[in-house]
Amino acid sequence: GAGVSQSPRYKVAKRGQDVALRCDPISGHVSLFWYQQALGQGPEFLTYFQNEAQLDKSGLPSDRFFAERPEGSVSTLKIQRTQQEDSAVYLCASGTTGDMWAFFGQGTRLTVV
Amino acid sequence: QKEVEQNSGPLSVPEGAIASLNCTYSDRGSQSFFWYRQYSGKSPELIMFIYSNGDKEDGRFTAQLNKASQYVSLLIRDSQPSDSATYLCAVNRGFGNEKLTFGTGTRLTIIP
Repeated sequence: GAGVSQSPRYKVAKRGQDVALRCDPISGHVSLFWYQQALGQGPEFLTYFQNEAQLDKSGLPSDRFFAERPEGSVSTLKIQRTQQEDSAVYLCASGTTGDMWAFFGQGTRLTVV
Repeated sequence: QKEVEQNSGPLSVPEGAIASLNCTYSDRGSQSFFWYRQYSGKSPELIMFIYSNGDKEDGRFTAQLNKASQYVSLLIRDSQPSDSATYLCAVNRGFGNEKLTFGTGTRLTIIP
């Protein structure tokens, strides 16, 4: 596809349930970012991959959050034992080396009930 | 103090007028600065980036950067109803493809 693709677009999880969010970056994009955007807030950085290497995970809020990109393309953000405060839109962005910006996907809206 | 601060608005501007959006940042090591537009329920879309002091123009949009004052702004000339959106300011410590630190955004409404 032409853009960053995320799935599912919407996810409702019961508190305590594990969820997995998928990101398909633009083909050939080396860099991949995950951001969390709470309602009425700007996106907050979670983690960054360059190819399959996770270079920065300083934004992951707890050890319940885990991200991987095993083959340097598709990435999965996993949240274990979801809590209500995890409710947010999770945005994935990708870019090529040397780009000064990243292209965002449409996001996954997670609601924990 | 938040790393990137914006007035949350809402900011209402008549159609055809100039909309002025402001952003301040706390990290003096910031090197590059971005303005994203986000329509309700949509993902952020890059409008402009700037990394040198002064003005940068692109069509109806002008970004202004003053590193000494740690201030960046976005001017939208001849505002259109389609410009109604939330505008996010973001900063980056480097020039490469690195993590962005976003403000909370300013909601702009253009009044026909």
